[in-house]
Amino acid sequence: GENVEQHPSTLSVQEGDSAVIKCTYSDSASNYFPWYKQELGKRPQLIIDIRSNVGEKKDQRIAVTLNKTAKHFSLHITETQPEDSAVYFCAATFYSSASKIIFGSGTRLSIRP
Amino acid sequence: GAVVSQHPSWVICKSGTSVKIECRSLDFQATTMFWYRQFPKQSLMLMATSNEGSKATYEQGVEKDKFLINHASLTLSTLTVTSAHPEDSSFYICSARADSANTEAFFGQGTRLTVV
Repeated sequence: GENVEQHPSTLSVQEGDSAVIKCTYSDSASNYFPWYKQELGKRPQLIIDIRSNVGEKKDQRIAVTLNKTAKHFSLHITETQPEDSAVYFCAATFYSSASKIIFGSGTRLSIRP
Repeated sequence: GAVVSQHPSWVICKSGTSVKIECRSLDFQATTMFWYRQFPKQSLMLMATSNEGSKATYEQGVEKDKFLINHASLTLSTLTVTSAHPEDSSFYICSARADSANTEAFFGQGTRLTVV
């Protein structure tokens, strides 16, 4: 079926340390993988995305890696700051009856001062 | 990024009534719009995918007759919750995508529905 699994569900890291969130997806045809940050009561905001023709993408403190063979992608946040505290969702596109975006279950990231 | 506006941002309705939520892409043409439901501390669960001018594709377990979706133009999609019940209370959020399947989808601000 169409599924995106995300781990861990909660993550607490010391300010300045790195945080890593991992996702797997079920369909080898998926080729677009966005990551969203959602603060309480607000809409998800895209923070980075990657397409299947590359294995890694970086934007300042945020990076995403993709392993198409393993159907696995990860979000890396370095030098974490208090404002990084939020819920992060990975997602993937699926192409069954319609082209759609399915979300992972989310990771609540807390940054300890 | 592009702007998607969702209205209303919150609504309280009586059990048995219907509620319509609008999702508009303000500065681009949305070929595809998605409707999600999010319960507290949970993920975004896809309800349906709609393409302009055609019928929406509903996810398994989502009642078509209860959650009516209309995508009549490239800038507007509506979700109508019919005969609402307290268990329909949730955060409903739309997103819109301009063209190909591997491009960014932009989210509306969401609608918090409370059915009393």
